[in-house]
Amino acid sequence: EAQVTQNPRYLITVTGKKLTVTCSQNMNHEYMSWYRQDPGLGLRQIYYSMNVEVTDKGDVPEGYKVSRKEKRNFPLILESPSPNQTSLYFCASSLWQASYNEQFFGPGTRLTVL
Amino acid sequence: TQLLEQSPQFLSIQEGENLTVYCNSSSVFSSLQWYRQEPGEGPVLLVTVVTGGEVKKLKRLTFQFGDARKDSSLHITAAQPGDTGLYLCAGGIQGAQKLVFGQGTRLTINP
Repeated sequence: EAQVTQNPRYLITVTGKKLTVTCSQNMNHEYMSWYRQDPGLGLRQIYYSMNVEVTDKGDVPEGYKVSRKEKRNFPLILESPSPNQTSLYFCASSLWQASYNEQFFGPGTRLTVL
Repeated sequence: TQLLEQSPQFLSIQEGENLTVYCNSSSVFSSLQWYRQEPGEGPVLLVTVVTGGEVKKLKRLTFQFGDARKDSSLHITAAQPGDTGLYLCAGGIQGAQKLVFGQGTRLTINP
């Protein structure tokens, strides 16, 4: 089954404790991205990657890091989480150009930073 | 920064009624996508429109891209409880590898 998986689905942590949210897709997609979703703000792009070893900042990259060492995986790293990073996070992938192609979203990771 | 404004943000209507959701911007987009998101899940694509004035139909849902490619609408005919969800529009930016999302319209269809 074609899908994007994220882990964990739920995470409660404390300020400053480094964490990683994993994302994996099995569709051989070139493009992957991370979004955060907050009430009234919609989905905002954090980082995106057009291919292995190619990553770029989205609209809200501060406080986040990503890597793309393999085509299928695109982990999101919070080196020192803060309460304002409490949010619902989605990983997405698409065949190529995101603006024209369907983006497939993972099920989301709900993160709470205390 | 391109922005997409969706209206209304919340809509609660009775089964069988018609409704329209709007997605507006002052910017031109190369494409416009509509997604639906259900609780506990990620958004799922409903449609992509790429030509100004384009109209696409998906059963009881009709999507239109504005002539100037700055706005879009989603019209649902005879709404059903299964249409309940969060509807998101997303605009594609020419030459950029990204989509800009509206803030969403939370739709509730009451039986």
